Amino acid sequence: EVQLVESGGGLVHRGGSLRLSCVTSGFTFSGFWMNWVRQAPGKGLEWVANIKEDGSEMHYVDSVKGRFTISRDNAKNSLYLQMNSLRVEDTAVYYCVTSVGGPDYWGQGTLVTVSS
Amino acid sequence: QSVLTQPPSASGTPGQRVTISCSGSSSNIGSNTVNWYQQLPGTAPKALIYSDSQRPSGVPDRFSGSKSGTSASLAISGLQSEDEADYYCAAWDDSLSGRVFGGGTKLTVL
Repeated sequence: EVQLVESGGGLVHRGGSLRLSCVTSGFTFSGFWMNWVRQAPGKGLEWVANIKEDGSEMHYVDSVKGRFTISRDNAKNSLYLQMNSLRVEDTAVYYCVTSVGGPDYWGQGTLVTVSS
Repeated sequence: QSVLTQPPSASGTPGQRVTISCSGSSSNIGSNTVNWYQQLPGTAPKALIYSDSQRPSGVPDRFSGSKSGTSASLAISGLQSEDEADYYCAAWDDSLSGRVFGGGTKLTVL
C-alpha cells in the first residue's frame, strides 16, 4: 500500500523558515517524480514544486522560486521542502503527491501557518 | 486566477447525471493528460480519474472522464449524497513546466 506521511508544518513568523518532510512507503521511491501541492485555507489546490527520480531536475511555481527548495533522499525514501523567506500568503496545507502506476497518491498534508 | 477553468459550483438531485467541465489551452490539456480529484470536507484530495479517462481501483464506474481538444469533462451518473464534495481537474503545462489545477467545483446534492 502506497503511503505518504508529511511532517514539519507549524506556526512561523513572516520571513522565517521551515523544512517539510514526506516519508514514503509501499512503492519504489527512487523510480518516481515527487511533487508538493498546497492548499490555502478555503482555497483551491496549487502545485508548488516537483523533482525528478534522481533529483537532477526540479521545477517550481513562480511564486516560490528562489525561496523554496525541493529535494529528496532516495536512500531514506523521503522528500523535503525547504521553505525560506516565508510570506503570509504561503499559509496552507502542504501535500506530498506522487503518481505510481497511473493515479496520484496524496499524503494527509501538513499545515504551515505564517503570521505577520 | 487558475490556469484551468472550472465552474465554481454544480448541483443535482439523487440519481441524476451531472457533468463538470475543465477548460484549458494547447500547452496543458491540449497536449497532456488530465486528472480529476475529489476532495471531501476536511480530507486530502483523492484521485478520481487519471490519464483523461482511467479510473483508479476502487472508484465506482459512476465516475467517468473525457477529453476533447483543450477541454475535459467529469461525469457523475446516479448521483449520491456522498458525492457532495469539491472536484478539481489538473494537467501538466508545457509552457509553465509545472502542473496546473482548475479552481475547483463544489458539487451539491440537492
